[in-house]
Amino acid sequence: AQSVTQLGSHVSVSEGALVLLRCNYSSSVPPYLFWYVQYPNQGLQLLLKYTSAATLVKGINGFEAEFKKSETSFHLTKPSAHMSDAAEYFCAVSPPGYSTLTFGKGTMLLVSP
Amino acid sequence: EAQVTQNPRYLITVTGKKLTVTCSQNMNHEYMSWYRQDPGLGLRQIYYSMNVEVTDKGDVPEGYKVSRKEKRNFPLILESPSPNQTSLYFCASSEKGLGTYEQYFGPGTRLTVT
Repeated sequence: AQSVTQLGSHVSVSEGALVLLRCNYSSSVPPYLFWYVQYPNQGLQLLLKYTSAATLVKGINGFEAEFKKSETSFHLTKPSAHMSDAAEYFCAVSPPGYSTLTFGKGTMLLVSP
Repeated sequence: EAQVTQNPRYLITVTGKKLTVTCSQNMNHEYMSWYRQDPGLGLRQIYYSMNVEVTDKGDVPEGYKVSRKEKRNFPLILESPSPNQTSLYFCASSEKGLGTYEQYFGPGTRLTVT
C-alpha cells in the first residue's frame, strides 16, 4: 500500500519569496507522483506529475518538483511566490499501472504582501 | 468546453433520506471516480469505474453506491445518509484508468446531513 505525508498543514511566505511544499511518499515500488492545487471553492487542478521520466518536473504557473528516490520525496517549489498562488496544495501517489490516487492531507499556502 | 459537471453543487438533507449526486463528463473518458474531502484528511476515494459496467471500491465505500450504465455518467447514491457523510464530494475522470493519465475534477458538491 502507498501513502503520502505532507509536512505542514499551513505554510506562510511573503510575496516574492521561495515557496517550498514538502511531500514524502511510501511505496513498495517507485510510484507515479502528482501535485494538485485547489483554489477556494473550486475543484482540483493538476500542477505537475512524475511518471518515471525526468526526475525534475516542470509544471504550470512556474512550479516544479524533483523526484528523489533515495529520500522518497517529491517536494514542490517555486522561486518567487505571487499572491495568486495562495491555495491548498495536495500531493498524490499512484502505483504504476493503477488508477487509484492516494492523496496527502494538503498544505494551505498563505502569501502575504 | 471539456468539463466534469456535478449536480447539485450544494445539498442539505436529513438523516435517512435517499439522495443522488450526479456526475457527467463530456470528454469520452473511460475512467471515473468519486472522492470525499474532509478538513485535515485530504481527499479519499469512495468508488471508481474503469469503464462502463465496471466499478470497484476505493478506500471509504461504506454507505455509498455507484453505477456506470453510460460512459459519460457516474452517479453517487446515498441510500440512507448519516451525519458522518457530511462532506465535500468531488467527481473526477481521466482518459484511461492508468496512473499516467491526468484526472479532471468537477467543481464539487457540498453535502450536509442533519
